[in-house]
Amino acid sequence: GESVGLHLPTLSVQEGDNSIINCAYSNSASDYFIWYKQESGKGPQFIIDIRSNMDKRQGQRVTVLLNKTVKHLSLQIAATQPGDSAVYFCAENMNQGGKLIFGQGTELSVKP
Amino acid sequence: DTGVSQNPRHKITKRGQNVTFRCDPISEHNRLYWYRQTLGQGPEFLTYFQNEAQLEKSRLLSDRFSAERPKGSFSTLEIQRTEQGDSAMYLCASSLAGGRGNTIYFGEGSWLTVV
Repeated sequence: GESVGLHLPTLSVQEGDNSIINCAYSNSASDYFIWYKQESGKGPQFIIDIRSNMDKRQGQRVTVLLNKTVKHLSLQIAATQPGDSAVYFCAENMNQGGKLIFGQGTELSVKP
Repeated sequence: DTGVSQNPRHKITKRGQNVTFRCDPISEHNRLYWYRQTLGQGPEFLTYFQNEAQLEKSRLLSDRFSAERPKGSFSTLEIQRTEQGDSAMYLCASSLAGGRGNTIYFGEGSWLTVV
């Protein structure tokens, strides 16, 4: 079946370094993608989104890159801070439809 | 606070009992979603409403599960005859259909433990 998946289940970085979290998706009909951050015991928190007619979108310390050719999505976090430690999920959405399909998640650990 | 509100946040119930969770979406959001999440997994879609109409239901939503949104505002998710496998976090989310994208905002979830 079609799904959204993540390349790495865990990522450990040093405080101040940049982090890159990757995501592969398989549904070519998906046209909207979202990154969420989830801290332990809390609900997913919206970070940044991107539509399929864009390749790159920047927010505050975060950048999302979309490569439709290889169906790959990445989240870059600049100057990673201890507060960035969490599980990060990418999710895809089709035709502005209802449901999001989530991947398994990448756990980001930031070492001081 | 104007985010998605869920209650109760935690519920422990005995197997076979019924439980109900309530979700209050972000004001003016016309779409409301229910997801389920187990430890180490991403959220799994259960169902969603646009206003009071239930537009899609996942096959995960067995006949023991029922969701309602009678007035197009808050929603309830009821699980009848709970089983241990129902133990999970139940997440509610909302969005405003149309406009730029379909940004879906989540609540903090309702934890269910079936003993």
